[in-house]
Amino acid sequence: EVQLVESGGGLVKPGGSLRLSCAVSGFSFNTYSMNWVRQAPGKALEWVSSISSSSNYIYYADSVKGRFISSRDNAKNSLYLQMNSLRVEDTAVYFCVRVLQGYYAMDVWGQGTTVTVSS
Amino acid sequence: DIVVTQSPLYLPVTPGEPASISCRSSQSLLHSNGYNYLDWYLQKPGQSPQLLIYLGSTRASGVPARFSGSGSGTDFTLKISRVEAEDVGVYYCMQAVQSPPTFGGGTKVDIK
Repeated sequence: EVQLVESGGGLVKPGGSLRLSCAVSGFSFNTYSMNWVRQAPGKALEWVSSISSSSNYIYYADSVKGRFISSRDNAKNSLYLQMNSLRVEDTAVYFCVRVLQGYYAMDVWGQGTTVTVSS
Repeated sequence: DIVVTQSPLYLPVTPGEPASISCRSSQSLLHSNGYNYLDWYLQKPGQSPQLLIYLGSTRASGVPARFSGSGSGTDFTLKISRVEAEDVGVYYCMQAVQSPPTFGGGTKVDIK
């Protein structure tokens, strides 16, 4: 069974840092690009970052560029999102998402981990 | 960034009846390869989103045939031929022809 399990969310003060992790199983992780997508409370989905299968290509939304770092460890079947200089507006559920091979559609989603930035 | 606009925001539906959602983009989503890079997702209450349709009209694996996607360029439609109670939730369209990928604001579908 294909599974994506996020962890690492929590409550952090503005300016603080968090590192999200996504443990994957049930598929060949090292052949898939992966995304992070977030959803602020009561809001629509927002793409955050994409990372290619070998980490050769990494992209970020303008809203997080320079503050967030996406990485992966294919040997550990894990995806990471290092979030620095967090802002109140970064409060959201963060989803780890698999990208459908050969396309850009997101075909498998984790259950999400909640990040709350508040003083 | 490409702006994606969905309508209506709220759609009350009757089980067994058809339903449709519109998605419009500020720029064409037609790639030079002939495909429209427009996807549809459904987020059921309390769940993560799930992929329904990609490339405008291709159903994702396991998606019931009552769901269909159509359109090209800047105008797209998701149709449900006969709504079932399990189809309630928020539907999102997303463009992927240009980075960054952008989502519509969502259409909430609920039973009348």
